Amino acid sequence: AQKVTQAQTEISVVEKEDVTLDCVYETRDTTYYLFWYKQPPSGELVFLIRRNSFDEQNEISGRYSWNFQKSTSSFNFTITASQVVDSAVYFCALALYNQGGKLIFGQGTELSVKP
Amino acid sequence: DAEITQSPRHKITETGRQVTLACHQTWNHNNMFWYRQDLGHGLRLIHYSYGVHDTNKGEVSDGYSVSRSNTEDLPLTLESAASSQTSVYFCASSPGQNLAKNIQYFGAGTRLSVL
Repeated sequence: AQKVTQAQTEISVVEKEDVTLDCVYETRDTTYYLFWYKQPPSGELVFLIRRNSFDEQNEISGRYSWNFQKSTSSFNFTITASQVVDSAVYFCALALYNQGGKLIFGQGTELSVKP
Repeated sequence: DAEITQSPRHKITETGRQVTLACHQTWNHNNMFWYRQDLGHGLRLIHYSYGVHDTNKGEVSDGYSVSRSNTEDLPLTLESAASSQTSVYFCASSPGQNLAKNIQYFGAGTRLSVL
């Protein structure tokens, strides 16, 4: 069965701290895609990144970076020098190539960045 | 600008009533999805459609139905609302044929309360 686990329900940090959000997934498929979405307090879901199962290269976008490791089935998300505007719920999601693009979401991690 | 809109944003209804949540996208995307968001569960797929007159059941489809009469709209109907259907509902759409790869773009959500 396919599953995405975000074991950290809530994380609280002080501004400028680095924080890593964990994501572990389960699938026997060899072709799949992983996503991160951000849900700010306003409620909408905002796409952050997509990674396919054949590309384990880490990615950096400004203060955001993502570490994909197939050996541990993990796709972790790090925010460097966190800011109050980073406060949101973050979702990791899995889409299998042979299952029509349906997203399987983790439970979400609520990040609170305090000034 | 192209967008995806959901209406209403908030809805209160009574047990047993029929309720329809609207989703309209102007991207001309083939694929549309309905999810519900509940604490501790992340987002779960209710129904989805790959094109006009196509509909499919997702993980939690009981008590819900959809119809796709045009490309732009995928209304979600609760035939007889139950308290267990109190939730936040998100509509999403994605383009193209490589479904797992395609990014899903989400509406702002509808908060439904069934009393």
